[in-house]
Amino acid sequence: GNSVTQMEGPVTLSEEAFLTINCTYTATGYPSLFWYVQYPGEGLQLLLKATKADDKGSNKGFEATYRKETTSFHLEKGSVQVSDSAVYFCALSGGNTGTASKLTFGTGTRLQVTL
Amino acid sequence: GAVVSQHPSRVICKSGTSVKIECRSLDFQATTMFWYRQFPKQSLMLMATSNEGSKATYEQGVEKDKFLINHASLTLSTLTVTSAHPEDSSFYICSAKPGLAGRETQYFGPGTRLLVL
Repeated sequence: GNSVTQMEGPVTLSEEAFLTINCTYTATGYPSLFWYVQYPGEGLQLLLKATKADDKGSNKGFEATYRKETTSFHLEKGSVQVSDSAVYFCALSGGNTGTASKLTFGTGTRLQVTL
Repeated sequence: GAVVSQHPSRVICKSGTSVKIECRSLDFQATTMFWYRQFPKQSLMLMATSNEGSKATYEQGVEKDKFLINHASLTLSTLTVTSAHPEDSSFYICSAKPGLAGRETQYFGPGTRLLVL
């Protein structure tokens, strides 16, 4: 079945540092890939997505590229801010073993950005 | 953006009692709602998918008689944990898919933390 593996946190960075959160997946077929963000006390929000190989999703300075050859979808940001402190979830849907609406999540990575 | 609320945000109950959690889509109609469960340091696990007016579809290993789901309207779904036990303590999250949205669009509630004593 489908699975998502992401790096364990917490990740602690100083403001303006470069961020990478690794995510790899296992799925047959052609899943869609997502990054969700959860700010304290709020629900998960879609941050960005990519629906096919080599697509790059981007939003709010965050980027992730769908790499089918390495089955990865690493999240990056060139300069983080304190307001980026949150929990980030990598997820996938679809492929050959699931419906398009069924999401499979990673364990989440907590990011803490300090001044 | 679309807002999904959950009530209560946290609940503590005694073993053997039943607990109802509500999930509401506040500014859109949700033809499909999903219920997830999250254990500490683990990923969200889909428990069931509910479509308005029909029976929920449960994931493998989820007891449908223990986790009763009702999706009676296009803006409300409820999850009832029946005869709760300490092992049911967890973080329960719902999401809702607007009727006219693409297949992959879901909006998440903030979650409900359940503690069974």
